[in-house]
Amino acid sequence: QQPVQSPQAVILREGEDAVINCSSSKALYSVHWYRQKHGEAPVFLMILLKGGEQKGHDKISASFNEKKQQSSLYLTASQLSYSGTYFCGTREGAQKLVFGQGTRLTINP
Amino acid sequence: KAGVTQTPRYLIKTRGQQVTLSCSPISGHRSVSWYQQTPGQGLQFLFEYFSETQRNKGNFPGRFSGRQFSNSRSEMNVSTLELGDSALYLCASSQDSQGLSYEQYFGPGTRLTVT
Repeated sequence: QQPVQSPQAVILREGEDAVINCSSSKALYSVHWYRQKHGEAPVFLMILLKGGEQKGHDKISASFNEKKQQSSLYLTASQLSYSGTYFCGTREGAQKLVFGQGTRLTINP
Repeated sequence: KAGVTQTPRYLIKTRGQQVTLSCSPISGHRSVSWYQQTPGQGLQFLFEYFSETQRNKGNFPGRFSGRQFSNSRSEMNVSTLELGDSALYLCASSQDSQGLSYEQYFGPGTRLTVT
């Protein structure tokens, strides 16, 4: 079951904040966040595990609501380098990692 | 440490042909996953291998197959190519044996065009 991301696209000015949401109808073990710039491979940002463990970059923050099977990625004081498409991926236990459709983030000067 | 490498980077094939794509994971990583990326469908999971065994499989027809070798390198094969197979094929490696709690590192992808 593919997770649903929202919004599909967002445009910000440099310095503004953004929140990208990811929700699933299944009970999740983990949520993964990746960013992909045009013409490049996806790059790992953060992983959130059932039970509260998190791994990721210091400048990125995210949350995982296990009861609602929802995760949010928080981008604060956005920089031009934050532009790209953000994907959330979800795992139900040892099942495959399934990605959402992506959220396109554009940061303007 | 070298990243994930994929060969070839670009490929043009005609309908009906078959193709083999190769992926070399990061040294020490034993889990390899394959994804198909298209503008309309996003990142679609193909398969996942660990220690030469297929651990998970996506919802793709049997024309798509893969394997993993003892050195963790992986190949995927697509037979009887169709126009709809045109896509970016991404390989990702992970160090975790269960694949549950470790991040995946993606290679640059192979851009396949079917004419």
